[in-house]
Amino acid sequence: GDSVTQMEGPVTLSEEACLTINCTYTATGYPSLFWYVQYPGEGLQLLLKATKADDKGSNKGFEATYRKETTSFHLEKGSVQVSDSAVYFCALSKIQGAQKLVFGQGTRLTINP
Amino acid sequence: KAGVTQTPRYLIKTRGQQVTLSCSPISGHRSVSWYQQTPGQGLQFLFEYFSETQRNKGNFPGRFSGRQFSNSRSEMNVSTLELGDSALYLCASSLVSGVGNGYTFGSGTRLTVV
Repeated sequence: GDSVTQMEGPVTLSEEACLTINCTYTATGYPSLFWYVQYPGEGLQLLLKATKADDKGSNKGFEATYRKETTSFHLEKGSVQVSDSAVYFCALSKIQGAQKLVFGQGTRLTINP
Repeated sequence: KAGVTQTPRYLIKTRGQQVTLSCSPISGHRSVSWYQQTPGQGLQFLFEYFSETQRNKGNFPGRFSGRQFSNSRSEMNVSTLELGDSALYLCASSLVSGVGNGYTFGSGTRLTVV
């Protein structure tokens, strides 16, 4: 079945460091890809998305590019802030069939000042 | 505009009891989906309701059920609670069925089974 694999966490960085969180997927067809963020005690917020190959999603300084050849959707940010500390989830959704999100296991990110 | 509202925020139940959780979608949204989040299994899809009909169902036992009312509010029910049902239950609403259609999550209901 469809699945998403994220890099193991937790990840701890200093403020202004570069961030990459790896995400790869397995799916038939051409899924849409998403990054969600979860702050402590809250639900999920959509961070960015891409719906077709080579699309780049971006928001709040975060970027991710849909790479069909490597089935990847890595999350990147050039300079992280303490406020970026959260849990990040990569997810996919198929255009056909059940309308649902399939999530990776999540990566906890902590940014130290 | 108001977001997705889930009530209650926290709940403690005893093994064997049943529980009902509520989700009020964003005004105008007609689809509501439910997810279970646990440390061990992560985020898993429970089911989706659209126009009072269950459209999709995840791989959960029959103890997990739901319904949607004519005003699009949804409830999910878990009967004969087990310790493993302790989780954060999230709902998401969207204009129509489909993740790409303004899918917005609520803050969740944290259920603890003791």
